[in-house]
Amino acid sequence: DARVTQTPRHKVTEMGQEVTMRCQPILGHNTVFWYRQTMMQGLELLAYFRNRAPLDDSGMPKDRFSAEMPDATLATLKIQPSEPRDSAVYFCASAPPSGGTYNEQFFGPGTRLTVL
Amino acid sequence: DAKTTQPTSMDCAEGRAANLPCNHSTISGNEYVYWYRQIHSQGPQYIIHGLKNNETNEMASLIITEDRKSSTLILPHATLRDTAVYYCIVRKGYGNKLVFGAGTILRVKS
Repeated sequence: DARVTQTPRHKVTEMGQEVTMRCQPILGHNTVFWYRQTMMQGLELLAYFRNRAPLDDSGMPKDRFSAEMPDATLATLKIQPSEPRDSAVYFCASAPPSGGTYNEQFFGPGTRLTVL
Repeated sequence: DAKTTQPTSMDCAEGRAANLPCNHSTISGNEYVYWYRQIHSQGPQYIIHGLKNNETNEMASLIITEDRKSSTLILPHATLRDTAVYYCIVRKGYGNKLVFGAGTILRVKS
């Protein structure tokens, strides 16, 4: 049963610390998305990659957030320095290549981040 | 991508059909209607999508009006495990990002 995996599942850190979240997309999927969910803003897209190249990171605060795909099996989202307002659940999703006009996104279980 | 309007919440009795409406009056000809749901503490899950015709899969049915300005997601026999937030999203085809609104909180009650 292929799934998107995310680590860590929970992270508590202090303001100013660096946070790294990792995502392993489903094998063979070539598009990876990062979302953030808070009670106030709901689900927001931060960035997404296709074939490891960034396509859109307009939803991501550029000064402290960075997203990369070092290889096809790993996507990372870093926050440096972290702030209390970054507290949220961060979801990674992946999607397969599509020969048509549709691709379903498969979401991971999320990383719950708390910044004190 | 066109915007969608959904009721904030709905209740449904266990075993009955749950009909979740969605308005998308500004939808354009090449935009699809997608439904995802999010069960508490989990990531969103794809349910179904359609362009013009009604669609059915093992989870649900999607009824799209002829003018495509609204649609209804039908869960034919709701169970307690169907309690979730249901998101209606309108999007062009392959590769584009999903823009989630507030969705509809569906509560299935025994």
